[in-house]
Amino acid sequence: DADVTQTPRNRITKTGKRIMLECSQTKGHDRMYWYRQDPGLGLRLIYYSFDVKDINKGEISDGYSVSRQAQAKFSLSLESAIPNQTALYFCATSEKGTGTDTQYFGPGTRLTVL
Amino acid sequence: ELKVEQNPLFLSMQEEKNYTIYCNYSTTSDRLYWYRQDPGKSLESLFVLLSNGAVKQEGRLMASLDTKARLSTLHITAAVHDLSATYFCAVGGGSQGNLIFGKGTKLSVKP
Repeated sequence: DADVTQTPRNRITKTGKRIMLECSQTKGHDRMYWYRQDPGLGLRLIYYSFDVKDINKGEISDGYSVSRQAQAKFSLSLESAIPNQTALYFCATSEKGTGTDTQYFGPGTRLTVL
Repeated sequence: ELKVEQNPLFLSMQEEKNYTIYCNYSTTSDRLYWYRQDPGKSLESLFVLLSNGAVKQEGRLMASLDTKARLSTLHITAAVHDLSATYFCAVGGGSQGNLIFGKGTKLSVKP
């Protein structure tokens, strides 16, 4: 089984709809992240969380919100989706104090906003 | 503001040839990561470089880090088709713990 899972894997929605993307991990990591990937732009950080009570905005947080329901779960919400939020969304995890702080990525959610 | 630049962004290679991808970053960092992404797939961690002069090798890929020049290289030796993918470098290690990614280098290895 995958260590970092994301649901749904694909989603098509309409402008103005509320959307939630979910991320779960079995790695036992304390840090979790949400990124979006757009063609030619690499990955950009939306939000990150170092533990359940520590949530921080990333580079492009406008239009998004997050919830860290438990150490293993980190959800990303689009309160009112707009077409320029069409992108590939990745959740990632890492563990503090490992020395490398390598981030491990989920399989991604492809979101299309019409 | 930390910026990460990769070049080239596109690389078409012939099998058995050698080439290098470059990753420059703008401010001091103590960690440099290389990831691989296959089309439609997630990112796979390849290397983590933690100190000046660090060199890591895995198969036909070798990564190195020069912190004084703020430069990392990913060298491909005798390319094969299986190496076709997009390669990202990312820089981290700041207090926020997040990574700043380059735009990626799309590598295509052709017979």
